[in-house]
Amino acid sequence: DAGVIQSPRHEVTEMGQEVTLRCKPISGHDYLFWYRQTMMRGLELLIYFNNNVPIDDSGMPEDRFSAKMPNASFSTLKIQPSEPRDSAVYFCASSLTGLNEQFFGPGTRLTVL
Amino acid sequence: SQQGEEDPQALSIQEGENATMNCSYKTSINNLQWYRQNSGRGLVHLILIRSNEREKHSGRLRVTLDTSKKSSSLLITASRAADTASYFCATDTSGNTPLVFGKGTRLSVIA
Repeated sequence: DAGVIQSPRHEVTEMGQEVTLRCKPISGHDYLFWYRQTMMRGLELLIYFNNNVPIDDSGMPEDRFSAKMPNASFSTLKIQPSEPRDSAVYFCASSLTGLNEQFFGPGTRLTVL
Repeated sequence: SQQGEEDPQALSIQEGENATMNCSYKTSINNLQWYRQNSGRGLVHLILIRSNEREKHSGRLRVTLDTSKKSSSLLITASRAADTASYFCATDTSGNTPLVFGKGTRLSVIA
């Protein structure tokens, strides 16, 4: 298996633009997690899915953030409109169960100018 | 919210020395996990220790858990330059709750 795949790896955009981050989890994993990592706040859980259903989105900072998982092999995290304070590294992770080890993707480094 | 807090925030040692990192948490846990993150990469799982376990080994890694003190330690023996990374502890509480990560310890191993 190729592991968790994220795209793009780097994204530079201007304030106000829409940003879409993509994730392909490991096949057979029932859980998918979206995290944001910054120096100031560390690694924050934004939202997680179980069998494609969002379970907890309390970490999503604002209505500008939305996430979907239309099928077991694909998820998106969208920011609309983007702001400079959204600049961070966004990670997607998947796991077999909610309590097992998580497998992280390489991350998307987002810069909003 | 942060459950685990790693200590120290940064650690610099010479190659061959042992490195010890600590993690303290606030509430009762189900499992505690340690992860490593190399610069510019995603986190990689190292080891999981359950609340009813006190010690676990994996290669050069040794993890201890003291539930009475709500703390865990990660020991890396005979460190190598390749061990240079950030190390995070992550906990989950009883039930089907997601992991909560600490802010990590930055380890530098100097050759």
